[in-house]
Amino acid sequence: GAVVSQHPSWVICKSGTSVKIECRSLDFQATTMFWYRQFPKQSLMLMATSNEGSKATYEQGVEKDKFLINHASLTLSTLTVTSAHPEDSSFYICSADWTSGNEQFFGPGTRLTVL
Amino acid sequence: GENVEQHPSTLSVQEGDSAVIKCTYSDSASNYFPWYKQELGKGPQLIIDIRSNVGEKKDQRIAVTLNKTAKHFSLHITETQPEDSAVYFCAAQPYGQNFVFGPGTRLSVLP
Repeated sequence: GAVVSQHPSWVICKSGTSVKIECRSLDFQATTMFWYRQFPKQSLMLMATSNEGSKATYEQGVEKDKFLINHASLTLSTLTVTSAHPEDSSFYICSADWTSGNEQFFGPGTRLTVL
Repeated sequence: GENVEQHPSTLSVQEGDSAVIKCTYSDSASNYFPWYKQELGKGPQLIIDIRSNVGEKKDQRIAVTLNKTAKHFSLHITETQPEDSAVYFCAAQPYGQNFVFGPGTRLSVLP
């Protein structure tokens, strides 16, 4: 149980294009989903928290107009990186909570490379 | 806000030996402490967690201890195997707030 999937697992795009990443909880309903970014050899950095049916809460310094988050259902959240630039290249990981704030289960991550 | 430190940043052990990773936290309101294992190119995997009302928890070769007074918690891996090689992250969560992760420990188990 508690499986979280992400799609795609990797993506390469040209500078200026937009990329959408999907995060799904496969065998449970997640009230809250989280989006993290991880640069090489660094820890996970929380970008935003999303609750089903409401606007995402972004961490300080994260541009909400650049990183669009949609949490349309209890099993699906999407992150769209708009007008991507090379500095947006990173490993993006989502997670979903199991019991409202504890026990987060992570997806396998999406490696984004912007040329 | 919460701040989590983690030591050591890298750890090499011989197969079969034990490994210990320690984390300290600053916010006494933190009450949930998970440990994650991340293999190269993959997402973090929850391996064990502990809540503030418990001092120790064990799951086969993995154990976590919590000292609330000193505000530190540790991951203990016994009888290490090459497949234990990975980056390990601790986290602390104040009640009702988001996780704060430590910087990670790269564990290498040498055959």
